[in-house]
Amino acid sequence: GQQVMQIPQYQHVQEGEDFTTYCNSSTTLSNIQWYKQRPGGHPVFLIQLVKSGEVKKQKRLTFQFGEAKKNSSLHITATQTTDVGTYFCAGTRGSQGNLIFGKGTKLSVKP
Amino acid sequence: GAVVSQHPSWVICKSGTSVKIECRSLDFQATTMFWYRQFPKQSLMLMATSNEGSKATYEQGVEKDKFLINHASLTLSTLTVTSAHPEDSSFYICSAPADRVRGDTQYFGPGTRLTVL
Repeated sequence: GQQVMQIPQYQHVQEGEDFTTYCNSSTTLSNIQWYKQRPGGHPVFLIQLVKSGEVKKQKRLTFQFGEAKKNSSLHITATQTTDVGTYFCAGTRGSQGNLIFGKGTKLSVKP
Repeated sequence: GAVVSQHPSWVICKSGTSVKIECRSLDFQATTMFWYRQFPKQSLMLMATSNEGSKATYEQGVEKDKFLINHASLTLSTLTVTSAHPEDSSFYICSAPADRVRGDTQYFGPGTRLTVL
């Protein structure tokens, strides 16, 4: 079935280092969403990308959607301890497609 | 790895009927499960937190009498959409943390597509 693969599963960084998580789909996606889940909490919506090659920024976070709309990345510049959590990507196929989640990347930041 | 299943994967029902959706953690116990709803082209929205052995906690704006949640065991939570109407048509997804002590990551079910005619 349709899958969204996300890597890495875990990432440990020193505060101030950059961080990137990647999502890949076996099929073309109509859009991709990113969520952040703080430890013990529930995933919170961050952003949605729709257009091929789209790049969006939220302060230190940069989101990209690939030209083929099969992959996406989230990059955090100069991580802070407040960035700790699990980052999920979720893609949909077609206008009414179900949301399919990646398994998430768990980020830990050492002060 | 941890697996969460949902049943049914899709359902079509007539307006006024009730629909029950099951969320199961297949290889781990989950004292807490989350229920979400996603409308087309929109993001996932948390509806409620399901707690095993106690009442669910509903998010603001979610009618608890319309969306009945029962978390009767450590591996099963159910969401019943009562007297469903076309505006309830949506994609419903559940998730559960695999390791409550470590506050580990969420594992998502495959979702249930509800269409109310």
